[in-house]
Amino acid sequence: TQLLEQSPQFLSIQEGENLTVYCNSSSVFSSLQWYRQEPGEGPVLLVTVVTGGEVKKLKRLTFQFGDARKDSSLHITAAQPGDTGLYLCAGGEGDGWAQKLVFGQGTRLTINP
Amino acid sequence: KAGVTQTPRYLIKTRGQQVTLSCSPISGHRSVSWYQQTPGQGLQFLFEYFSETQRNKGNFPGRFSGRQFSNSRSEMNVSTLELGDSALYLCASSLVGLTNTGELFFGEGSRLTVL
Repeated sequence: TQLLEQSPQFLSIQEGENLTVYCNSSSVFSSLQWYRQEPGEGPVLLVTVVTGGEVKKLKRLTFQFGDARKDSSLHITAAQPGDTGLYLCAGGEGDGWAQKLVFGQGTRLTINP
Repeated sequence: KAGVTQTPRYLIKTRGQQVTLSCSPISGHRSVSWYQQTPGQGLQFLFEYFSETQRNKGNFPGRFSGRQFSNSRSEMNVSTLELGDSALYLCASSLVGLTNTGELFFGEGSRLTVL
C-alpha cells in the first residue's frame, strides 16, 4: 500500500489569511481526491484530479495535482471560519473496477475570526 | 437522493463483547467500503465489498469481518472487542464503472466506545 504524507498536520490562522496544505508521496497515484470532514460527520468530497499538472478551482479553494501525479496541494485564499475542518487527501490505487483509496493523516485547519 | 446511512450512530461496549454495524449505501451504488478513524492513526481502510464479494482488504486482524447483501447493504462485525477498537467507523459507497475514479460518499459514522 502506498503512503500519503500531509503537511502541516495542524494549522491555525486568522480570517482573511491565505494557506496551503500539501499531500506528498513517493508513489504515483491514478487519481487524487480532497475531502473535508467536520466534527460529527463523515468526510465530504471536494474535488478529484486525475491528470498530472491539473488545476481545479472551487470558489476560494485551488487544487493542484503534481506533474508526476505523486503530490497535490490545496490552497485557500482569504480563509473564512467556515473553512474550519479536517482536510484529507486520498490517492487512488489501481484503476477501473478495482480502485481503492489511500488516505493521508489529515490537516486540521482552524480559522479564527 | 438519500445519502449513506449508518446505524447505530453511537454505541458503548465492554471488552470481549462483539458488535455489528450496518450501512445502507446510496441507491445504485454497488461498492461499499469500511474505514476506521482514530485520532492517532487517521483513516484506515478495513475492507471493500462489491456485489456481495470482498474485493479489497486492509491490514486488520481477523476479528474484523464484514459482508454485503444482495441489496448492497453491508454490515461489519468486530468480535472480542479490545479497548483499542474504540473509534469512528465510517462506511462509504461508490459508483463503480470502467471510468470510475473511486469517489467515496461517506456516512456520518458509528462511534464505538469500548470500556
